[in-house]
Amino acid sequence: GNSVTQMEGPVTLSEEAFLTINCTYTATGYPSLFWYVQYPGEGLQLLLKATKADDKGSNKGFEATYRKETTSFHLEKGSVQVSDSAVYFCVLLVNNRLAFGKGNQVVVIP
Amino acid sequence: GAVVSQHPSWVICKSGTSVKIECRSLDFQATTMFWYRQFPKQSLMLMATSNEGSKATYEQGVEKDKFLINHASLTLSTLTVTSAHPEDSSFYICSARGAGGAETQYFGPGTRLLVL
Repeated sequence: GNSVTQMEGPVTLSEEAFLTINCTYTATGYPSLFWYVQYPGEGLQLLLKATKADDKGSNKGFEATYRKETTSFHLEKGSVQVSDSAVYFCVLLVNNRLAFGKGNQVVVIP
Repeated sequence: GAVVSQHPSWVICKSGTSVKIECRSLDFQATTMFWYRQFPKQSLMLMATSNEGSKATYEQGVEKDKFLINHASLTLSTLTVTSAHPEDSSFYICSARGAGGAETQYFGPGTRLLVL
């Protein structure tokens, strides 16, 4: 089946630190991959996407590269801000259906 | 981006009562709406998919008589949890998809249901 695995546990880091959230997937066919972000009290918002192998999605300083050989789509940001505090979900789309990871709470401390 | 609203954001009810949750696409027409359920520290689990004017398609293991979905217009879908019990307590999230496919799928902020 199709599934997404995100690293366990919340992530707490200081402002301007480097952020990495790991995401791996299993899928039949050729999925598109997304990162969604959920800010407190708001709905999930699309952060970035990649639709084929070796594509790099980027937005708001965040990046993720679609790695077919390692079935991964890790999210990175070089210098986080307090406003980046949110829950981040790795999501795959295959056969027009979304499959979600568990999400990672990111807390950025001033 | 497009906005999807849910109402209420919080509901507490007694066991045995029914609860209705509304999902509205505020600035676009949603050809398809989705209802998800999220348990603490778990991923979103798709409950059902509904197209305007059609019966909803439920995922395996989701009781359609328990979770009634109505998608009467292109901007409104409702989920009714009938005869709610404590095990129905959860976070329910709706999502609306426009004509552009999955990449134009927008999410509501969720509704927290607590059944006492």
